[in-house]
Amino acid sequence: DGGITQSPKYLFRKEGQNVTLSCEQNLNHDAMYWYRQDPGQGLRLIYYSQIVNDFQKGDIAEGYSVSREKKESFPLTVTSAQKNPTAFYLCASSAGTVNSPLHFGNGTRLTVT
Amino acid sequence: AQSVTQPDIHITVSEGASLELRCNYSYGATPYLFWYVQSPGQGLQLLLKYFSGDTLVQGIKGFEAEFKRSQSSFNLRKPSVHWSDAAEYFCAVGAGNSGYSTLTFGKGTMLLVSP
Repeated sequence: DGGITQSPKYLFRKEGQNVTLSCEQNLNHDAMYWYRQDPGQGLRLIYYSQIVNDFQKGDIAEGYSVSREKKESFPLTVTSAQKNPTAFYLCASSAGTVNSPLHFGNGTRLTVT
Repeated sequence: AQSVTQPDIHITVSEGASLELRCNYSYGATPYLFWYVQSPGQGLQLLLKYFSGDTLVQGIKGFEAEFKRSQSSFNLRKPSVHWSDAAEYFCAVGAGNSGYSTLTFGKGTMLLVSP
């Protein structure tokens, strides 16, 4: 079955360390997205990519970085510059057009202490 | 820029009762509207979407939503709620000029179902 795989489900890191969250899709979608979810805040867009080797900052990109070397993969790195990295991170993909719904992975819960 | 408001943070409904979750959007042109549902610790699942045409759209799990342009609303409804409907519900608006877009989400409404 086609879908989006995020790994790991839970991730623990010490403050000051960079950490990379994995996102892979086999839906043949052009566009991929990273959202951050905090209680009571809804989903906030971190980065998105409409095509391989190209990506744009979302609303809260500071302290994060991404790459899109392959159509199927869109890893997110949470750097030590992110002031409050503990959150639930959701990866999504879509066909990319304005009326395309997003398909979501099951998320990665990152805890930084 | 577009925005979405979900006025209710929590709603409690008795099992078997009807449900309406409110969503108001702000966007200058015709919006593309979506409702998603999220179970705890999971990703979001698409319930339904509105692009154009009939303003009453049907979705999965017995949900429907009605687009009202005059009220800038896209409320989600279900005639009879089941305990398994307890989850968080997100309204989202998509917009873009170049053919591509991103979705803007509301902050969500948590649905609690009482026996």
